[in-house]
Amino acid sequence: NAGVTQTPKFRILKIGQSMTLQCAQDMNHNYMYWYRQDPGMGLKLIYYSVGAGITDKGEVPNGYNVSRSTTEDFPLRLELAAPSQTSVYFCASSSRTGNQPQHFGDGTRLSIL
Amino acid sequence: DAKTTQPNSMESNEEEPVHLPCNHSTISGTDYIHWYRQLPSQGPEYVIHGLTSNVNNRMASLAIAEDRKSSTLILHRATLRDAAVYYCILRSSQGAQKLVFGQGTRLTINP
Repeated sequence: NAGVTQTPKFRILKIGQSMTLQCAQDMNHNYMYWYRQDPGMGLKLIYYSVGAGITDKGEVPNGYNVSRSTTEDFPLRLELAAPSQTSVYFCASSSRTGNQPQHFGDGTRLSIL
Repeated sequence: DAKTTQPNSMESNEEEPVHLPCNHSTISGTDYIHWYRQLPSQGPEYVIHGLTSNVNNRMASLAIAEDRKSSTLILHRATLRDAAVYYCILRSSQGAQKLVFGQGTRLTINP
């Protein structure tokens, strides 16, 4: 079972470059989430979506954008990469019903130099 | 979002039970208690969750205090593979059901 798939797994960017982190899930989940995790810290919510066409800001949205055109995909865009965005990024999804668990991808390790 | 308090670290021996505590004195009636763990260099992994009653699954047990202001995750027989950071999180049953991660408890298992 694929679950939540994130690409790429690793990336190095130069300051000022842009990129899109991809996230796809095959569980027909309505809810999707993007988190970042800095070394030694817990995860912080960047953006989330409760369904196609609906997105909202989380705890640390500055410097990022998202879109949700389909149920399956939830890409995260960095427009002008900054060193402070060096982190590990995790995408997650969950069903809308019954307070079900969130399923996480394996993460994207991003370094901004 | 209601917050939780966990010890920064705990240590146990292989094949012994482990009790990981969590305090959540400001829990609301619509909050579920979720536990996730994160192994080194991996994404978080769901362990167990509950609302009021104790819960068991193949990975662990969750004991919830009668007033719901605290809970304990129980690993019945720890293995080296259980070494991870364990997060206790209150997740509302309303809205987007977001998870708010704290620092968690870093569990070390001695062989």
